[in-house]
Amino acid sequence: AQTVTQSQPEMSVQEAETVTLSCTYDTSENNYYLFWYKQPPSRQMILVIRQEAYKQQNATENRFSVNFQKAAKSFSLKISDSQLGDTAMYFCALTPWGEGGSEKLVFGKGMKLTVNP
Amino acid sequence: DSGVTQTPKHLITATGQRVTLRCSPRSGDLSVYWYQQSLDQGLQFLIQYYNGEERAKGNILERFSAQQFPDLHSELNLSSLELGDSALYFCASSYRTENNEQFFGPGTRLTVL
Repeated sequence: AQTVTQSQPEMSVQEAETVTLSCTYDTSENNYYLFWYKQPPSRQMILVIRQEAYKQQNATENRFSVNFQKAAKSFSLKISDSQLGDTAMYFCALTPWGEGGSEKLVFGKGMKLTVNP
Repeated sequence: DSGVTQTPKHLITATGQRVTLRCSPRSGDLSVYWYQQSLDQGLQFLIQYYNGEERAKGNILERFSAQQFPDLHSELNLSSLELGDSALYFCASSYRTENNEQFFGPGTRLTVL
């Protein structure tokens, strides 16, 4: 079984600052993917960034980057130069990867990020 | 726009009723997933279909069922509805060889009164 834990329910940050969202997970799978999804007030689920567990290099997407610590089962998201449009719920998620299995996403409970002007 | 469509956007019904939620995946995607988002349970995986066949089941109640049709669209049937079934129901799709990325539809907001 897989579990994802987001221990911070809510954070706020000033515009243009940097913020880090934490996530820990547990899985017995050797191959898996980790994701951060964003859910703005519109409720649409938007993929922010993806990390393959077999890759040591941390993924980056423009202002978004991750710190993936496989041994510690930690997967944090760093948002640089925060913008008002980053205000949203952020969900950390895990899915196993490989033949024969389901690719279902297991989500954390989410964290509400507010970017203040 | 993710390319995944869901209808209807909103649904209001009464306890004991039955509803059907519809999902059309992105063109070419073979897998369809259903998720339920509620205040108390968070985002939970319900069921996955791959190319017309059930592939995995999550925390799906016996009152709920789903299917994927030959044209790959999917329907989620919810019956004997209870107040606690009020939630946002998401459909997502993926093509299995593409990094497992799932593309989410806009969701169907179900309110049971």
